[in-house]
Amino acid sequence: DVKVTQSSRYLVKRTGEKVFLECVQDMDHENMFWYRQDPGLGLRLIYFSYDVKMKEKGDIPEGYSVSREKKERFSLILESASTNQTSMYLCASSLRGEQFFGPGTRLTVL
Amino acid sequence: QKEVEQNSGPLSVPEGAIASLNCTYSDRGSQSFFWYRQYSGKSPELIMFIYSNGDKEDGRFTAQLNKASQYVSLLIRDSQPSDSATYLCAVTPGGTYKYIFGTGTRLKVLA
Repeated sequence: DVKVTQSSRYLVKRTGEKVFLECVQDMDHENMFWYRQDPGLGLRLIYFSYDVKMKEKGDIPEGYSVSREKKERFSLILESASTNQTSMYLCASSLRGEQFFGPGTRLTVL
Repeated sequence: QKEVEQNSGPLSVPEGAIASLNCTYSDRGSQSFFWYRQYSGKSPELIMFIYSNGDKEDGRFTAQLNKASQYVSLLIRDSQPSDSATYLCAVTPGGTYKYIFGTGTRLKVLA
């Protein structure tokens, strides 16, 4: 079975802090994705990566950056956390077809 | 117009009935279509995918795709209370790795 893990299930940070969310997949998938999910807005794509060191902006990249130094690991970075970044963050990976999601990180920015 | 549209619901059906969930999409070049189930507080899990026009069956689930009309649907036969969840439709537009998700339909199966 594909396994996608995320570094934290719950995280509380303060405004202005730099925040790192990490995602690891164990199936040698080429593509990895970061989404945020908010009530009424659904899943919105922040960034995705189709290869090591390759990345593309999604629909809402502002305030975020990403890093993919190894194929299995995709990190999301909030350079200076703000209260409007309080959300559920979901990582996913895929090879060619269906995406597999990690358990999610619920981030609260105070 | 949203790229992928779903009725937010809730859609309520009695136990044992057929639940019908619908999704429309705007990009005619879309190639792959997915249905995910998401329980409250959990991450989405894949139920089915479909690439070609017609029906695809897997157990109690049937996905239906009509590219000419730009809609994809999910039928759940013999609905169970454990099927109560939010169902997300996802589409991959042509020539991209991106997935476009609908906002989901909340299904309630009444015992």
